[in-house]
Amino acid sequence: AQKVTQAQTEISVVEKEDVTLDCVYETRDTTYYLFWYKQPPSGELVFLIRRNSFDEQNEISGRYSWNFQKSTSSFNFTITASQVVDSAVYFCALSINAGGTSYGKLTFGQGTILTVHP
Amino acid sequence: GEEVAQTPKHLVRGEGQKAKLYCAPIKGHSYVFWYQQVLKNEFKFLISFQNENVFDETGMPKERFSAKCLPNSPCSLEIQATKLEDSAVYFCASSQSGKTQYFGPGTRLLVL
Repeated sequence: AQKVTQAQTEISVVEKEDVTLDCVYETRDTTYYLFWYKQPPSGELVFLIRRNSFDEQNEISGRYSWNFQKSTSSFNFTITASQVVDSAVYFCALSINAGGTSYGKLTFGQGTILTVHP
Repeated sequence: GEEVAQTPKHLVRGEGQKAKLYCAPIKGHSYVFWYQQVLKNEFKFLISFQNENVFDETGMPKERFSAKCLPNSPCSLEIQATKLEDSAVYFCASSQSGKTQYFGPGTRLLVL
């Protein structure tokens, strides 16, 4: 079975601060995908990134960056120079890429509530 | 369409009543997933489809929940005889290949 842990329940920062959201995962499968989704106060789930288990390259997209480390089973997300609009709940998730009916099913972490104050 | 559409946005039912939720996946996406979000943060997988075929239904409480994805129709999730604990936001997601899932806005179900 898969498990995703986001140990930080809530984080509060002031605008322009950098913030890192932690994600640790467990799976026995060697082929899997990792995801981050954003859920703003309006409630929808917005896809941010997908990472293949074979690709440990870090990724940067504007103010967002992701650090994937297989050795520690972690997939952390950093927001640089945070803004009020970044306030949301952020979810880390995992799906396995092996065959079988579990393919694609997302296992979510508990989410981290990020509040960015002006 | 270019987005996953879910209807209705809100649904209120008395305990024991039936509830039916609809989802139109992104055009060309062959996978559909249903999730239940309770207590604001906790997601529970319910069921997945590949085209009109059930792919994985291990998360469904089958005695009261059923789901379908028929050709040329929105997918549906039906709850017979709703219970208080069914109050949640129900999200539908679609995926072209089963990898990245794009979520609809959700249906908020309140059972009184």
